Amino acid sequence: AQSVTQLDSHVSVSEGTPVLLRCNYSSSYSPSLFWYVQHPNKGLQLLLKYTSAATLVKGINGFEAEFKKSETSFHLTKPSAHMSDAAEYFCVVSRPYNTDKLIFGTGTRLQVFP
Amino acid sequence: EAQVTQNPRYLITVTGKKLTVTCSQNMNHEYMSWYRQDPGLGLRQIYYSMNVEVTDKGDVPEGYKVSRKEKRNFPLILESPSPNQTSLYFCASRVGTGNEQFFGPGTRLTVL
Repeated sequence: AQSVTQLDSHVSVSEGTPVLLRCNYSSSYSPSLFWYVQHPNKGLQLLLKYTSAATLVKGINGFEAEFKKSETSFHLTKPSAHMSDAAEYFCVVSRPYNTDKLIFGTGTRLQVFP
Repeated sequence: EAQVTQNPRYLITVTGKKLTVTCSQNMNHEYMSWYRQDPGLGLRQIYYSMNVEVTDKGDVPEGYKVSRKEKRNFPLILESPSPNQTSLYFCASRVGTGNEQFFGPGTRLTVL
């Protein structure tokens, strides 16, 4: 069985400071992992994905995530937060090369203060 | 523009009154899926479809029906809505296996 845990339901940062959104996963095989972002009243947009290639994955808008098998983690980072980054972020796991069934985390709401 | 569209975007209805939420994609994707999003629970899959006339249950299918008569459309049907189906619903599609899903803008449903 697969599951994903987002360790923080809310994260607050000041504009220009680093962002860290934490995600741990559980899977009996090497998974595919995704981060999606949801801005208020919008649909979900893919930020980045890991599918067993490079462990450091770069996404859109300056975000990146590192797959660490030993820690079963896939944390999302950004060196410098921007006001437009305020949104809800979802960590998602699926079976490798089979995204029929996505397992979503419960989400992390990121607030960015000026 | 490549997109997934949903209608209506907002709907308030009463218990037991049948409703349909439409979903359409213009990307010729084989796979389509419906999710519901509830506070503190993330997104949970309701039904998915691998192609025309091929559908299967997700994690929370009770109280919902779907059909896939055309490749581009995947309507979600609530035959007798109940208040516990008040939620934010998302349709998604993708091409091929292993690729990311593209999500629609969401439909906020309230059942009184």
